[in-house]
Amino acid sequence: GIQVEQSPPDLILQEGANSTLRCNFSDSVNNLQWFHQNPWGQLINLFYIPSGTKQNGRLSATTVATERYSLLYISSSQTTDSGVYFCAGNTGGFKTIFGAGTRLFVKA
Amino acid sequence: DTEVTQTPKHLVMGMTNKKSLKCEQHMGHRAMYWYKQKAKKPPELMFVYSYEKLSINESVPSRFSPECPNSSLLNLHLHALQPEDSALYLCASSRRLDVAGQETQYFGPGTRLLVL
Repeated sequence: GIQVEQSPPDLILQEGANSTLRCNFSDSVNNLQWFHQNPWGQLINLFYIPSGTKQNGRLSATTVATERYSLLYISSSQTTDSGVYFCAGNTGGFKTIFGAGTRLFVKA
Repeated sequence: DTEVTQTPKHLVMGMTNKKSLKCEQHMGHRAMYWYKQKAKKPPELMFVYSYEKLSINESVPSRFSPECPNSSLLNLHLHALQPEDSALYLCASSRRLDVAGQETQYFGPGTRLLVL
């Protein structure tokens, strides 16, 4: 199966700072999603982005499928952005594989 | 509406108990999933249903028994669990499964299970 690596594993930001999270895949993926898991455990879908670039408010994501990586950009971070960010994908089967996540803490 | 609901929110059970987790969605999705998530770990797939038929069973022990009675509802029946089964159980749904894989998955809030 595919391997999904996320970096950095942990990140501490001052409120207002920008950051970039990275997700590398060991094989080509047909589907790639970014999720935010809040401190209460809710997984929130941020982007479905198998290729290209998307933006939603202060968040944007870029996937370069040919090079097997995706980036999540967070601008002007807020304390509510704290939590764990996961990328996940599959190679055409039905099994979604999650990366280990990036744990983000935004300080006020 | 992109809501997936799960009940109960919390569950404490003994190793001899039988309980069920429930998941519901009304988005017309035809693929539904159960995941297990241990603390500080990513979600791990347990089961996938497509058009109410079990498509994937990730070698889950038989003490976990899934059921999909209709296109909106997914249950997970629990019996004779072990303390190591304590975890957050997440349900998800997506529009369908197809040859390219599943589309965007929407997750419920989860059930926090503690087995004593």
